[in-house]
Amino acid sequence: EVQLVESGGGLVKPGRSLRLSCTASGFSIGDYTMTWFRLAPGKGLEWVGFIRIQMYGGATEYAASVEGRFTITRDDSNNIAHLQVTSLKEEDTAVYYCARWSGRVPFKAMDVWGQGTTVTVSS
Amino acid sequence: EFVLTQSPGTLSLSPGERATLSCRASPTISSSYLAWFQQKPGQAPRLLIYGASYRATGIPDRFSGSGSGTDFTLTINRLEPEDFAIYFCQQYGDSPVTFGGGTKVEIK
Repeated sequence: EVQLVESGGGLVKPGRSLRLSCTASGFSIGDYTMTWFRLAPGKGLEWVGFIRIQMYGGATEYAASVEGRFTITRDDSNNIAHLQVTSLKEEDTAVYYCARWSGRVPFKAMDVWGQGTTVTVSS
Repeated sequence: EFVLTQSPGTLSLSPGERATLSCRASPTISSSYLAWFQQKPGQAPRLLIYGASYRATGIPDRFSGSGSGTDFTLTINRLEPEDFAIYFCQQYGDSPVTFGGGTKVEIK
């Protein structure tokens, strides 16, 4: 079964860091741009960033709201992607989702999503 | 940055009726990289439509997408009980990837 499972969320104080993981099964992430989104309470879905496939150098792009604080990495050999979140703010409180996006046929959009992991930033 | 405006905010319909959801883009989405997602509470978003009009794998044919440029539509024919949810449009042709604010389809 094709599946993505996020982990690593939790309750943290402002300014702290977390590393979220996105573990894939049933397919190889090496063919996919791995993308992160978040859904904050009472708000709409927000794109966080992505990491392209190795054919495109594993380039990353981030939303302006997280640029410089969040870092996405990938480990194709272990079929896992990570989202390192640092200098956390209360407004980063959200459910964080990872999704796969075909690296070679981007027209096909983000077709598989994980169930999400919750990050709560509070003092 | 592409801004997507969805309307209406809420659609109250009965099972068996047709739902018509609108997504307006500014500026023009030139490449039709427009997707529609369904989301239910506590669940991951589910891709319904990509490329404005292509149904994703496993999506019933009562879901259809249309439009280009600035005006896009998701139509759900003959609403089933499991279709009552929130629907988001998304443009994914340029960074940042952006979403509309969502339309809630609720049971009347």
